[in-house]
Amino acid sequence: EVQLVESGGGLVQPGRSLRLSCAASGFTFDDYAMHWVRQAPGKGLEWVSGISWNSGSIGYADSVKGRFTISRDNAKNSLYLQMNSLRAEDTALYYCAKDKFRDFGTQLVLNAFDIWGQGTMVTVSS
Amino acid sequence: SYELTQPPSVSVSPGQTARITCSGDALPKQYAYWYQQKPGQAPVLVIYKDSERPSGIPERFSGSSSGTTVTLTISGVQAEDEADYYCQSADSSGTSAVFGGGTQLTVL
Repeated sequence: EVQLVESGGGLVQPGRSLRLSCAASGFTFDDYAMHWVRQAPGKGLEWVSGISWNSGSIGYADSVKGRFTISRDNAKNSLYLQMNSLRAEDTALYYCAKDKFRDFGTQLVLNAFDIWGQGTMVTVSS
Repeated sequence: SYELTQPPSVSVSPGQTARITCSGDALPKQYAYWYQQKPGQAPVLVIYKDSERPSGIPERFSGSSSGTTVTLTISGVQAEDEADYYCQSADSSGTSAVFGGGTQLTVL
């Protein structure tokens, strides 16, 4: 069964850091780009960041650029999101998502997200 | 920054056809994707590359594209289709993914 399981969320004070993890199983992890998407309570979906199959190409939303860092460890079938200088507006459910298509190119190609985890909640509050 | 525009809500009676639009300047150049999200659940991909349907998605779901607007059509709407629907695409440079604001589909 193809599965993504996020972890690492919690309550954190503004200005502090948090690292999210996503464990993948049931597919060849290093064949696909991976992404983080978040959803603030009662709000819509927002793409946060994406990383190509070999970490050679990375993209960020303007709202997190310079504060968040995406990474992956293909040997561990894991995706990560290091979140620094957290703000109240970063409060959201963070989903890990798999790209639908295999892509071994040098640039991150933004395709559909066909598999999603159940998300991990991040609350930024004093 | 680039935006995709969806109507906040669409209402339809069971058995009728629901159409949800999504507008964006880069849509003639970039593919669009559609997701269904029910309360408390993760999104589910229902249309990719404007009009392709993933395996397991009912045939009543279809997608189309015309200029700067893409449309998700649900024919013969069922009560179980009541959900939020989001379009997704990329900006003109292809470096940033964007979601529309979402459309709440109500089945009357």
